[in-house]
Amino acid sequence: EAQVTQNPRYLITVTGKKLTVTCSQNMNHEYMSWYRQDPGLGLRQIYYSMNVEVTDKGDVPEGYKVSRKEKRNFPLILESPSPNQTSLYFCASRVAGGTRGETQYFGPGTRLLVL
Amino acid sequence: AQKVTQAQTEISVVEKEDVTLDCVYETRDTTYYLFWYKQPPSGELVFLIRRNSFDEQNEISGRYSWNFQKSTSSFNFTITASQVVDSAVYFCALSGDSNYQLIWGAGTKLIIKP
Repeated sequence: EAQVTQNPRYLITVTGKKLTVTCSQNMNHEYMSWYRQDPGLGLRQIYYSMNVEVTDKGDVPEGYKVSRKEKRNFPLILESPSPNQTSLYFCASRVAGGTRGETQYFGPGTRLLVL
Repeated sequence: AQKVTQAQTEISVVEKEDVTLDCVYETRDTTYYLFWYKQPPSGELVFLIRRNSFDEQNEISGRYSWNFQKSTSSFNFTITASQVVDSAVYFCALSGDSNYQLIWGAGTKLIIKP
């Protein structure tokens, strides 16, 4: 089954404790992206990657890191989480070739609470 | 600049009523793509439809239909004979040919009462 998976689905942590949210897709997509969703603000892009070893900042990259060492994986790293990073996080992937309007497919989301 | 506006924050209707969710967009791109996604209470984002700027034909899929009008920069979504299972937040999004970024509306929360 074609899918984007994220782990963990739920996470409660404390301020300053490094964490990683994993994202993996099995569709051989070049493009992957991370979003956060907050009430009243919709979805905002954190980082995206056009392909292996190619990453770039989205709209709200502060406090986050990413890496793209393999095509299928795109982990999101919070080096020193803070309470304002409490949010619902989505990973997404799509093909990078073809038109720029290719559909993005989303993972199930990760609910993060930073105390 | 690109922008998507979903002016309806929340809509509440009784089951079996028809309901239309509005989406207005702004873009300078000649070629662009519009999307609707559904986010049920469980939280996942479900892709519903993709439309490109050269295809103004309305789309119907079961009880769902979409009305794309370039003249008014709108891409509205109608649910006919709504059901409780349609309760969700619906997002409209735009992708222009000038970049890969997906621009999201703020979402419309749809509540279908039994």
